[in-house]
Amino acid sequence: QQQVKQSPQSLIVQKGGISIINCAYENTAFDYFPWYQQFPGKGPALLIAIRPDVSEKKEGRFTISFNKSAKQFSLHIMDSQPGDSATYFCAASKDQGAQKLVFGQGTRLTINP
Amino acid sequence: NAGVMQNPRHLVRRRGQEARLRCSPMKGHSHVYWYRQLPEEGLKFMVYLQKENIIDESGMPKERFSAEFPKEGPSILRIQQVVRGDSAAYFCASSPRANVLTFGAGSRLTVL
Repeated sequence: QQQVKQSPQSLIVQKGGISIINCAYENTAFDYFPWYQQFPGKGPALLIAIRPDVSEKKEGRFTISFNKSAKQFSLHIMDSQPGDSATYFCAASKDQGAQKLVFGQGTRLTINP
Repeated sequence: NAGVMQNPRHLVRRRGQEARLRCSPMKGHSHVYWYRQLPEEGLKFMVYLQKENIIDESGMPKERFSAEFPKEGPSILRIQQVVRGDSAAYFCASSPRANVLTFGAGSRLTVL
């Protein structure tokens, strides 16, 4: 019940295309859903986060879509750029805090020029 | 602000030795978290500390692992009698309250 399942494991997108990464969770107590971006040799960096009271949140080229009834959320990267090539992790936590994040397995995104 | 500082960045130990990983949180952050990342996997929560207190250690292995965050100085993750399965990247994160985490660059432990 604590798991967050992420797909796909790897993704290749052409420059300018849309990258879509999906996550599903079981624990209905989760109420905070962040996405992290990690470059090789670096720590994860918060990209964007959403709470279940909204169905979508957009920041620049990055959008989170959230489906509470399906217990799914996804990250969309519009106009994908080679600099977006990284590993992306979805995560979830409860009690509106981020202290005990449950991470997905990660998606290695490659944007071809 | 230098961010979350972790050292060493790379550590090699032989089986049975001890590993000590240090984490200095961002200035003004009093909450520290340790996560472990095995190769090709997501991060797994280990422990959550505030100054001089362990708040949640539910992700810590029962033996050989300990963590502290003293009143003065960095937080320390200590692994005694390391085994090959301890080889991983260990990430520290900090926050001013129990909300948005800022991660350090990690310490990569290799056990020979």
